[in-house]
Amino acid sequence: QVQLQESGPGLVKPSETLSLTCTVSGGSISSLYWNWIRQPPGKGLEWIGYIYDTGRTNYNPSLKSRVTISVDTSKNQFSLKLSSATAADTAVYYCARVGCNNGTCPGWFDTWGQGTLVTVSS
Amino acid sequence: DIVMTQSPDSLALSLGERATINCKSSQSIFYNSNNKNYLAWYQQKPGQPPRLLIYWASARESGVPDRFSGSGSGTDFTLTISSLQAEDVAVYYCQQYYRTLFTFGPGTKVEIK
Repeated sequence: QVQLQESGPGLVKPSETLSLTCTVSGGSISSLYWNWIRQPPGKGLEWIGYIYDTGRTNYNPSLKSRVTISVDTSKNQFSLKLSSATAADTAVYYCARVGCNNGTCPGWFDTWGQGTLVTVSS
Repeated sequence: DIVMTQSPDSLALSLGERATINCKSSQSIFYNSNNKNYLAWYQQKPGQPPRLLIYWASARESGVPDRFSGSGSGTDFTLTISSLQAEDVAVYYCQQYYRTLFTFGPGTKVEIK
C-alpha cells in the first residue's frame, strides 16, 4: 500500500521560500500524478499543483508565479517550493496522489500524506 | 475556474438519521463522451487528511461503508449517509476534476445532535 510522508521546516520567515518534500513508499512514483494541496487553519482545501513522473507540471494559476514542483524518481520523492512566502501561506500542506481507474487517472485524490503545518512568521 | 458550493454549512442529526449534503458546480461537470460526472467526495476528521469516499459522483471507493452514497449529475450532486454513526462526525468536501484546475467545495460539517 502506497504511503506518502511530507517533510520540511515548520516555520518560514516572510519573503523566504517555503520548501517541502514528499516521500513515496510502498510503490513507484512512475506514471502517476503527484500533487500538493494546502489547508489554512480552520479553512478549506486549495489545490496547488501536480507533477507527472516525466516532470510535466500543472499549477493553480493563483499561485503559478511563485510555485515550483519537481520530482526525483531515483529517490521516489517530489518537492514543493513556494517563493516570497507571506502569512497567507500559513497552512497544513498535504501531498496526495491522483487515483487511477481502468487505465485513466482523471483527478480524484486517493492517497494523502498526514500533512505538515507550515507557519510563515518572523 | 469551476466554483463549487455546498449546503448546508453544517448539520446536526441524531444517530441513525439520514444525512444529506448538497454540492453544486458553477458549470456542468458531466462529459458526454464517457457519460461520467467528474466529481469526488471526501471525509475529513479532525487532525486527519481527507479520505476519498466517492468518485465519478457515485462510485464508492474500496473500503467505504455502503451507508455512504453519491448521486446527481450535471451541476447538482448529493452525498447521503443513510444512517448516521458516531464515527461519521467530520467535514465533508466535494471536488471537481472536470478541469485540471481542481477545486473543492467549502465543506459541510456533520455533527451528532
